[in-house]
Formats: sequence, C-alpha cells, structure tokens
Amino acid sequence: NAGVMQNPRHLVRRRGQEARLRCSPMKGHSHVYWYRQLPEEGLKFMVYLQKENIIDESGMPKERFSAEFPKEGPSILRIQQVVRGDSAAYFCASSPRDRAGYEQYFGPGTRLTVT
Amino acid sequence: QQPVQSPQAVILREGEDAVINCSSSKALYSVHWYRQKHGEAPVFLMILLKGGEQKGHEKISASFNEKKQQSSLYLTASQLSYSGTYFCGTDTQAGTALIFGKGTTLSVSS
Repeated sequence: NAGVMQNPRHLVRRRGQEARLRCSPMKGHSHVYWYRQLPEEGLKFMVYLQKENIIDESGMPKERFSAEFPKEGPSILRIQQVVRGDSAAYFCASSPRDRAGYEQYFGPGTRLTVT
Repeated sequence: QQPVQSPQAVILREGEDAVINCSSSKALYSVHWYRQKHGEAPVFLMILLKGGEQKGHEKISASFNEKKQQSSLYLTASQLSYSGTYFCGTDTQAGTALIFGKGTTLSVSS
C-alpha cells in the first residue's frame, strides 16, 4: 500500500512567484488535510477537503492561499505571490473517513524555501 | 485553543520510562498522538475518544481523563527509536479541525 505522497519534496521560489504543492492521499482515502510547520514549531491546521469540496478552511490565510481536491488527481495547495514568511514545511494528511475518530496519515512534506 | 504539552523536553537512558501530558481548557472530543523525527513526517501513534474508545499501536499506551480534559502518553522501557518530538492534537467535536500542541522532545541515549 502506497502511503500519502507529496511532491515536490523541496521547492525553492523567489518572492512574488507561485508555489504549487501536490498531495495524493492513500488509496481509499477521500479526506485530505493540509498543515504548515515552521522550524521548531508544531503543526498548524490550514484546510480540510473532501473530493470537490472544501469542508473547513478556517486555518488558511485569506489572501494568496487556495486549495482544491478535484474529482480526479491530487489535492493542490497553491500559494500565490510568495513571501519569505511562507517558508515552511507543508504536510498533507489523509484519512478514510471523517477525521473524528480516524487517524490521519501524513505525507513526507514539501519544504518550501522563498528566497 | 492550543493544547498544552508537558514537559517540553525529556532526556532518558534506554530502558527508562516517561510520561508526556496534554491538557486543554476546553471539553475535548478526541486526542490524537503523533511522533515526528527531525525532517520526517509525523507518524500516528494513538487516538483516544470521548467515551473511552482507543485505537493505536499495541506497544503504545495512553489515557484520556475526560473530567480534566487531559491525556497522557506512557512510554515504557524506552528504546533509542523512541527519540523524536511527540505532538498531541485535539478537537472539541466531530468534524472540527485538529489543533496540535507545541510538542515534547524526547531524547533517548544508550
């Protein structure tokens, strides 16, 4: 069984460019969550998606950030006009059911560096 | 509201035991425990649900005191592989976001 896959693993962008982070959930999982982690800090929830639906985006910055999980293909976290403060590790996780009572399996993360 | 983890750091020798605590000021629906090694993804350890249900790895034990809104993770006979940062994540009702604590760093030496 393949685990949660994320790509790219490392991404370098200059200020003002766009960053696209991809997440393929585990087979059979239809729920995807995105988290951001700054160095030496915990995981901060960003957004929760099911296929074609955003369920909870309360942790997502209102500007420049967007997420989607189309019917076909991976979930994408998009950051427009990146700034240095966006540099962080971005993890996605998936679960087979509503997250209440079901473990989330994390991908290896994408480490974004903004120069 | 972010749960509070204690202690912030623990240093052990192989074979020693440790307890990591996670507490919240809000009534919790569930507590999730993960371990993360430097530069790697968090790995699921255990879920504890309101009402007493638990799911997790056989070698990991934990408790959830619903009255105090506290959970404890018990690491017994520690091994070198236990080293890492332990995070608890909590939610207050089904279908809401997991809020993670700042983590407890565990270092096990031989």
